[in-house]
Amino acid sequence: QKEVEQDPGPLSVPEGAIVSLNCTYSNSAFQYFMWYRQYSRKGPELLMYTYSSGNKEDGRFTAQVDKSSKYISLFIRDSQPSDSATYLCAMSRTNTGFQKLVFGTGTRLLVSP
Amino acid sequence: GAVVSQHPSRVICKSGTSVKIECRSLDFQATTMFWYRQFPKQSLMLMATSNEGSKATYEQGVEKDKFLINHASLTLSTLTVTSAHPEDSSFYICSAGDRGVGYEQYFGPGTRLTVT
Repeated sequence: QKEVEQDPGPLSVPEGAIVSLNCTYSNSAFQYFMWYRQYSRKGPELLMYTYSSGNKEDGRFTAQVDKSSKYISLFIRDSQPSDSATYLCAMSRTNTGFQKLVFGTGTRLLVSP
Repeated sequence: GAVVSQHPSRVICKSGTSVKIECRSLDFQATTMFWYRQFPKQSLMLMATSNEGSKATYEQGVEKDKFLINHASLTLSTLTVTSAHPEDSSFYICSAGDRGVGYEQYFGPGTRLTVT
């Protein structure tokens, strides 16, 4: 079993839709949770960083963590064609020093105009 | 924001040859750099962690004699794939961070290696 599971998609939505992206994980030691956006043939870009359970909002993006269910989500409101990319979840056990990140496979999102 | 570059962005080499990939932090000093490999439709897999001036720490299953990592300065780390084979064809991505300003990792744009 992979430590982090993520549906690869693709997920196709019309412009303006609310998008929900999700990851599940098996290791309860994970404490820090991140979402990265990766455009084709580019490196990942950090979107959201959260600690433990709860919600965090940044503009059109909301990250949600439910540690009891080992489930994290990223919501994108008013989705735009420019949001079309692959979204990777990542997590780590500690924030002491540089974190060894464990990534999901990524979900490819397509937002059509 | 912090910028990390990689060179080359794409390289094709023949089986048996060696290829060097550079990772540079352009506007900050990177005390630690990470090297990842990403196969199509798969996760980024951490290969090794390198700290400036010391030997790299390799993840289990990664051959240190095949993937040579050098982090000789605070702005440059290199990954050399020695005696490359077609199964080494992949997308190699580095990330860099500066512990002096927090522990976020900034990713480079990646290098696509194709071994023929």
